Amino acid sequence: SYDLTQSPSLSVSTGQTATITCSGDKLGDRWSSWYQQKPGQSPVLVIYENDKRPSGIPERFSGSNSGDTATLTISGTQALDEADYYCQAWDSFSHIVFGGGTKLTVL
Amino acid sequence: QVHLKESGPGLIKPSGTLSLTCTVSSGSLSNNHWWSWVRQPPGKGLEWIGEIYRGGTSNYNPSLKSRLTISVDKSNHYLLLNLTSVTAADTAVYYCARRGTYRYHMDVWGKGTTVTVSS
Repeated sequence: SYDLTQSPSLSVSTGQTATITCSGDKLGDRWSSWYQQKPGQSPVLVIYENDKRPSGIPERFSGSNSGDTATLTISGTQALDEADYYCQAWDSFSHIVFGGGTKLTVL
Repeated sequence: QVHLKESGPGLIKPSGTLSLTCTVSSGSLSNNHWWSWVRQPPGKGLEWIGEIYRGGTSNYNPSLKSRLTISVDKSNHYLLLNLTSVTAADTAVYYCARRGTYRYHMDVWGKGTTVTVSS
């Protein structure tokens, strides 16, 4: 099976940059996506195909993917960005895989 | 914008079969998308269950494959999930989601339905 590893939690102050990482073997060779999930809500796609933002997602969200690590960066983090963030990729058998999630706290 | 809505029994007894339905607001499941189920146990992360293409091709999580059937009803209006021999470990919020053909992400999600396995 293919595993994606995320740090369980991250705290940043309002206005600072939040950097959330996702690690997997040769992850950079695969498309990565990121989802935001607020309490009691369903996940929302914030980054797809490594670095693309869906319409309606603020420009402060950006993504990259290289080597073994995909990164979600939130510039100028706002209180409303407090949520769980999940990375997603594919294994060699075309199965979807999620990371364990990172809980972002905005102080 | 397409909307998805999951529905199910809410509570199911251990060893029973879980059956869920996902309804698409557009009225039918399009040919241009894969349709997925994802679940989330209480306080835990997301787990991909499996997906189906309207033509019938399906793709399952290996850990659930022996108990799982994902299908589309004959009218192409409903995405269905059947999971047999359920245990407490199957207690979760179940989401349906859409993925574009030749795309690698899920762009539309339902609000989810809570399923509790308990006697």
